[in-house]
Amino acid sequence: QPVLTQAPSAAASPGASVTLTCTLTSDHSNYRVDWYQQRPGKGPRFVMRVGTGGIVESRGDGIPDRFSVWASGPNRYLTINNIQEDDEGDFYCGADHGRGGNFVAVFGGGTRLTVL
Amino acid sequence: QVHVVESGGGAVQPGRSLTLSCAASGFVFSDYAMTWVRQAPGKGLEWVAIISDHEINTYYADSVKGRFTISRDNYRNTLYLHMNDLRPEDTAVFYCARAVWDSHGSYFDHWGQGTLVTVS
Repeated sequence: QPVLTQAPSAAASPGASVTLTCTLTSDHSNYRVDWYQQRPGKGPRFVMRVGTGGIVESRGDGIPDRFSVWASGPNRYLTINNIQEDDEGDFYCGADHGRGGNFVAVFGGGTRLTVL
Repeated sequence: QVHVVESGGGAVQPGRSLTLSCAASGFVFSDYAMTWVRQAPGKGLEWVAIISDHEINTYYADSVKGRFTISRDNYRNTLYLHMNDLRPEDTAVFYCARAVWDSHGSYFDHWGQGTLVTVS
């Protein structure tokens, strides 16, 4: 099954841009990855699904165009432009592995985004 | 508007059982797979279980396999998680989410606010 690696923290000032990275294990570098945002004290919110070519396969309800995704090799990136205070929270990437009659979903450890 | 609302959490002693419920509205419940994801205090997300739209397929994380059972009632638009032999390490907020699950895999597009289970 894939393992997803994320940096534990990131920070940006209002109006700036930030890119969060999710790295797949090399054997799973062609997997689709999903991004989720979790604001403090809230349930997670689906942001976007990104394919291997950086193609956005699905966008969550109400996710603004300031959020974009791209991909390079085993890395999946979430870029947030024009950071706003409301963007603060934890961002998780996720993927699933369905082979041979089995299924498992995994998440990265999450990146805590602080808006300075 | 899609809504999923979890209930049934609480404090329970180790070895005991608990059943969580998730009431869904705003979409055709029987058209979608559903999933449970949990989050231990101060920790990240951990996938728990998934069930296909008509309950044909169910899958579990290794950490709960044999102890937890996911089920659904498509007439009541309700998802369940039956948890047996609870352990202190099962302490977490449990989230219910709608799953878009097709040949390309799955993602979880609408989540509830969660229900807290404390095993102590």
